[in-house]
Amino acid sequence: NAGVTQTPKFQVLKTGQSMTLQCAQDMNHNSMYWYRQDPGMGLRLIYYSASEGTTDKGEVPNGYNVSRLNKREFSLRLESAAPSQTSVYFCASSEIPGSNQPQHFGDGTRLSIL
Amino acid sequence: TQLLEQSPQFLSIQEGENLTVYCNSSSVFSSLQWYRQEPGEGPVLLVTVVTGGEVKKLKRLTFQFGDARKDSSLHITAAQPGDTGLYLCAGDSGFGNEKLTFGTGTRLTIIP
Repeated sequence: NAGVTQTPKFQVLKTGQSMTLQCAQDMNHNSMYWYRQDPGMGLRLIYYSASEGTTDKGEVPNGYNVSRLNKREFSLRLESAAPSQTSVYFCASSEIPGSNQPQHFGDGTRLSIL
Repeated sequence: TQLLEQSPQFLSIQEGENLTVYCNSSSVFSSLQWYRQEPGEGPVLLVTVVTGGEVKKLKRLTFQFGDARKDSSLHITAAQPGDTGLYLCAGDSGFGNEKLTFGTGTRLTIIP
């Protein structure tokens, strides 16, 4: 049972480099989310996609872009990485947005920006 | 912006002891979820509480949603090393809101 798959698991970048974090889910869920997790700050929402074809900003969207490629895939792009973007990034999905629905998480991408 | 504060931030206790962790907000939530996260993994849902005053039990874990739906608690009886992890609460404000707000987390360590 794959659930939510994130790639890569680890990445080191230099300041100014760009990269795309990939996320795919096999549960036929409508909604997908990108979070970052920093010590003492829980999970903060970067962007989300309530349904295929829509994306919206979350709490901390600056410096990021997203693409909902199809119902399964939701990617997160850093155009010009900054040290402040060093974090653990989690992708999640849910059957429908909010409304008591559990979110299913991937195992995260650990990103370091030097 | 809705905020969820969890306390304590860190808790380390001996195996067999009881503990309670808290999740508090000044905002009302239509529902509240509790997740547990183990090192190197993503959070996993433990329970969802929906009704003010609701109590749910999951083996040795008891979850309560405050009467005013602004706070919640998680009580663990006879803690075991397998309970070690980061506990996160997350609130759904409902009213068409498509997002969850996550709390700051309680990192629990159970010492054998």
